[in-house]
Amino acid sequence: DADVTQTPRNRITKTGKRIMLECSQTKGHDRMYWYRQDPGLGLRLIYYSFDVKDINKGEISDGYSVSRQAQAKFSLSLESAIPNQTALYFCATSDARTGADQPQHFGDGTRLSIL
Amino acid sequence: AQSVTQLGSHVSVSEGALVLLRCNYSSSVPPYLFWYVQYPNQGLQLLLKYTSAATLVKGINGFEAEFKKSETSFHLTKPSAHMSDAAEYFCAVSNPTGRRALTFGSGTRLQVQP
Repeated sequence: DADVTQTPRNRITKTGKRIMLECSQTKGHDRMYWYRQDPGLGLRLIYYSFDVKDINKGEISDGYSVSRQAQAKFSLSLESAIPNQTALYFCATSDARTGADQPQHFGDGTRLSIL
Repeated sequence: AQSVTQLGSHVSVSEGALVLLRCNYSSSVPPYLFWYVQYPNQGLQLLLKYTSAATLVKGINGFEAEFKKSETSFHLTKPSAHMSDAAEYFCAVSNPTGRRALTFGSGTRLQVQP
């Protein structure tokens, strides 16, 4: 089983719909992150959470919200989807106990298309 | 603030040739630096990381990178490319003293020609 699981893997929806992307992890990590990937732009940070009660905006949080339901679960919501939110979304985790040099562990991504 | 610039969005090499993927960083404090690889339809996997120990860092699959403070660079190399190295590669920087997550470069897609 994957350590970081994202659901769904693919989603096509219409403008204005509410979308939720889910992420769960079995690594026991405290920190969880949501990124979006666009061609030529690399990965950009949307939100990150250092524990259940510590949630922070990233560089492109407008139009998104998150919920850290438990240490192992971190969901990303698009309240009213728009076409320029079409992208590949990644969840990642890292171990807070070992500091900023710890690499992040990524899920396989959710490909979201908004028509 | 921190940032990463990857020079060349696409690099093509012949099988067996040297691979060189360029990464320059900007950081207000001595950074930690990472290289990740992304194969099609997969997430990112860590290749190697620099965390202020040895400046020449060896990673998986024969890759290595050298931290050069004077040039603010962290270029990724591999002496001999293999077809299986075809993927997208991302350089990333983090601030050892901050709470922020990684900042990624825009990526370099490596093609390996037979």
